[in-house]
Amino acid sequence: DTEVTQTPKHLVMGMTNKKSLKCEQHMGHRAMYWYKQKAKKPPELMFVYSYEKLSINESVPSRFSPECPNSSLLNLHLHALQPEDSALYLCASSQASSGSYEQYFGPGTRLTVT
Amino acid sequence: RKEVEQDPGPFNVPEGATVAFNCTYSNSASQSFFWYRQDCRKEPKLLMSVYSSGNEDGRFTAQLNRASQYISLLIRDSKLSDSATYLCVVNDQAGTALIFGKGTTLSVSS
Repeated sequence: DTEVTQTPKHLVMGMTNKKSLKCEQHMGHRAMYWYKQKAKKPPELMFVYSYEKLSINESVPSRFSPECPNSSLLNLHLHALQPEDSALYLCASSQASSGSYEQYFGPGTRLTVT
Repeated sequence: RKEVEQDPGPFNVPEGATVAFNCTYSNSASQSFFWYRQDCRKEPKLLMSVYSSGNEDGRFTAQLNRASQYISLLIRDSKLSDSATYLCVVNDQAGTALIFGKGTTLSVSS
């Protein structure tokens, strides 16, 4: 089973709201990722967690705050977002954070910031 | 970050056609290579890993040329369901993250 689940599927939020995106995998993977994807562009890496520790932050603005409560869960806390942050947010996991391993993606959360 | 470049596309082909996508990568230290497909408004899904010896999965064949830093994907006997964007993916210099090409769009028509 290569399933990664994400909730919610869709999210509309105002610029002053606080919301969270959730991701879960039960494949025993030790690396989890957040990507942002705009229309007609490839996914852009935001954060990498390896063994529940943040290992890569791709200079993401502090209005995005990741959290890894345990090896199966990954959250992305959102606060004071801008309209240009509207995008598809994808979670992925892999056996380890080495780029040698395939990454499996969740279905994404389509975020609209109004 | 080094880049991954793909054919610009789009490729519009009839059912049953053979179509090939090319990809070049600039980081000679890259060790891992993948093709993903992404349907409109869906997540990327792993199509296949690409090995030095080349590999085949049904109608799909992937080839790697390390000397030329070139990866290809061949799709034989195209089906309508093959219509998607195909992403060439390579691991980065540090080996810790994946770099995605911009994707090539394939449209198969009846």
